Amino acid sequence: QKEVEQNSGPLSVPEGAIASLNCTYSDRGSQSFFWYRQYSGKSPELIMSIYSNGDKEDGRFTAQLNKASQYVSLLIRDSQPSDSATYLCAVNSGGNYQLIWGAGTKLIIKP
Amino acid sequence: DGGITQSPKYLFRKEGQNVTLSCEQNLNHDAMYWYRQDPGQGLRLIYYSQIVNDFQKGDIAEGYSVSREKKESFPLTVTSAQKNPTAFYLCASSLRDSSYNEQFFGPGTRLTVL
Repeated sequence: QKEVEQNSGPLSVPEGAIASLNCTYSDRGSQSFFWYRQYSGKSPELIMSIYSNGDKEDGRFTAQLNKASQYVSLLIRDSQPSDSATYLCAVNSGGNYQLIWGAGTKLIIKP
Repeated sequence: DGGITQSPKYLFRKEGQNVTLSCEQNLNHDAMYWYRQDPGQGLRLIYYSQIVNDFQKGDIAEGYSVSREKKESFPLTVTSAQKNPTAFYLCASSLRDSSYNEQFFGPGTRLTVL
C-alpha cells in the first residue's frame, strides 16, 4: 500500500522564525510532489510543487526533495500568523492521475 | 475567471434521502476528482474521471455515484446506502495529459445528515 506520512502536529513556531514541515512517502517510483495549504473550513490550495531532487524556492516558501531518502519538506521563512493552517503533502506515483495524500500537519504561528 | 465551482456550500440530508452535489470547472481540464474529508483527517478519493463518459472508483466509492456527461461537469450523488455521509466534500480537477498532475480544488460542500 502506497503511503504518505506527516506529523500531525500541532507545530508551534514563533512569528518571524522558520517553519519546517516534513513528509515521507513509501513508493520509490513517485515522480511528483505537492504541498497544499488548508485553512480551517476551507478547501486546499496548492502552494508548491516539486519534481526533481533539490530545492525549489518561491517567495518565502522552499520545497526540498530527497528521492533517495524518500522525503519532501516545506520550509516557510519569516513565518507570519497568516501562515497558520494545516499543510497537506501529496504524492503522484505516475501511471495514473491519482494523488496519495498525507493527513496533514497543523502549523500554528505565535505572534 | 477560470476556476472550479461547487454547490451548494452547505447541504442537509435526511435519513434515506439521496442528494446530489454539483461540481463545474471552466479550466478546460480533462480530469476531475471527488474527495471526502472528515475532521482531522486527510483526503480520501471517492471517484475520478479522466475523460468524458468514463470514471473509476476510488478508495471509498461505496454509497456514492457519479456521472461525466460533459467535460465541465462531474456531479456526485450521495445515496441512502452511504451510512455515514456527514463530511466535507471536495471536487478537484487537473490536466489529464500531465504527469505532474497539479490538482486544483473547488470551495467544497459541507454535508450534514439530520
